[in-house]
Amino acid sequence: KAGVTQTPRYLIKTRGQQVTLSCSPISGHRSVSWYQQTPGQGLQFLFEYFSETQRNKGNFPGRFSGRQFSNSRSEMNVSTLELGDSALYLCASSLGGGNTIYFGEGSWLTVV
Amino acid sequence: AQSVTQLDSQVPVFEEAPVELRCNYSSSVSVYLFWYVQYPNQGLQLLLKYLSGSTLVESINGFEAEFNKSQTSFHLRKPSVHISDTAEYFCAVSDLSSGTSYGKLTFGQGTILTVHP
Repeated sequence: KAGVTQTPRYLIKTRGQQVTLSCSPISGHRSVSWYQQTPGQGLQFLFEYFSETQRNKGNFPGRFSGRQFSNSRSEMNVSTLELGDSALYLCASSLGGGNTIYFGEGSWLTVV
Repeated sequence: AQSVTQLDSQVPVFEEAPVELRCNYSSSVSVYLFWYVQYPNQGLQLLLKYLSGSTLVESINGFEAEFNKSQTSFHLRKPSVHISDTAEYFCAVSDLSSGTSYGKLTFGQGTILTVHP
C-alpha cells in the first residue's frame, strides 16, 4: 500500500514568486492536512481538508491556500513568497475520526 | 486551544541506558495524544498513540508512554535504547472537539534524542 506522496521533494523559488505543492494521500483516506516545519517555529498546522471541504485552518496569512480534489489529492499554494516561507512542508492523511495520521516525506522549499 | 510542552530540547544518553522524554499538554477539552519520530531528512512516523482505554500504550520497538490526566502528561520511555533510536521525537495532541476530522495536530517543539555508543 503506497504511503503519502508529496511532490516535488525539493524546490527553490525567488521572493515574490508563487509555488504549488502536491499531495497524494493513502488510498481511501479522505482527510488531508498540511503542516509547515521550520527550525524556529517547529511544526505548525496550516489547514485540513475532508471530502473537499476545508475543516480547520491554522494561523497563517491568506497567501497560504489549499484545496482538495474529488479523488482526495490535495494541493497547497503559497503566493508572493517571502524568505521566511523557506521550510519543510508536510502533508498528512488519515481516515479521520481518531484514526492514525500518516505523514509524507515532505517538500523542502527554499526561497532566495 | 491546546499547547504542548516538551521539557527537554536535547537528551543525550549512552546505548542500552534507559531514557524518558517528557511531554506536558494544556487543553480545556479532552484530547488524543501522540508521539511521532522524525529521522534526518524524513517525514514523521507515528510511534504510539493514546485515544482511550489503558493509560499505558506501547510501540512495537520497545517504547511506551503513559497518559496521566491529573498531571496532563504523556511521557515517553524506553528501558534500553539503541544507536538507531537517535532521532527527533515530537509529542502532539488532537482536539476531540474538532468534529469528525482529527487532522489538526498541535505539536511540541521536539526533543532530539542522541544515543552514544
